[in-house]
Amino acid sequence: GAGVSQTPSNKVTEKGKYVELRCDPISGHTALYWYRQSLGQGPEFLIYFQGTGAADDSGLPNDRFFAVRPEGSVSTLKIQRTERGDSAVYLCASSLYGFTDTQYFGPGTRLTVL
Amino acid sequence: AQTVTQSQPEMSVQEAETVTLSCTYDTSESDYYLFWYKQPPSRQMILVIRQEAYKQQNATENRFSVNFQKAAKSFSLKISDSQLGDAAMYFCAYRSMSTGTASKLTFGTGTRLQVTL
Repeated sequence: GAGVSQTPSNKVTEKGKYVELRCDPISGHTALYWYRQSLGQGPEFLIYFQGTGAADDSGLPNDRFFAVRPEGSVSTLKIQRTERGDSAVYLCASSLYGFTDTQYFGPGTRLTVL
Repeated sequence: AQTVTQSQPEMSVQEAETVTLSCTYDTSESDYYLFWYKQPPSRQMILVIRQEAYKQQNATENRFSVNFQKAAKSFSLKISDSQLGDAAMYFCAYRSMSTGTASKLTFGTGTRLQVTL
């Protein structure tokens, strides 16, 4: 079946602009995760959804970052007033039920803030 | 908070040879999962192997096996009969089994594996 997909693949924006990054999880997966991977680093957890609700948003760095999953499938990560330090690859993952299930990752969106 | 350390930024192995990637972690928990993920240039993280901490037997997946030393908090990955397609970044990751924090993976900084002819 289809894996996790993310759009766009690459996004270039200017400092101060608003961006939205989209994640389509594997069909039927109830859990969805966002991670951020800076250059030369491992991914860092941002937020975890179980169904439509954010079960753990402890990794969001500040209030410029927000994510939604209104119907329990597709999720959008929103970044307001982007800063150059937001430049990174944003990875999305999904798992069947969450908790102990294996997380399957998408190819990521590379965000570049000029 | 849990931490994962990969002390080898780069490793190189000849095709058909064996290589071992190191990983250590720090936790006060007794139940958890450990993973090795592979990230090729396409950026997509691919699960290589998974180990449950309560299992004493080391996990094996075809040419990939782990050496899990719970007391030493060590979790190394052995790749046998290395192939050109194994070239990638390899990340070690930790996942708690505590209900409050079991959602997230904590990753190390990765080891870049080169495979030469």
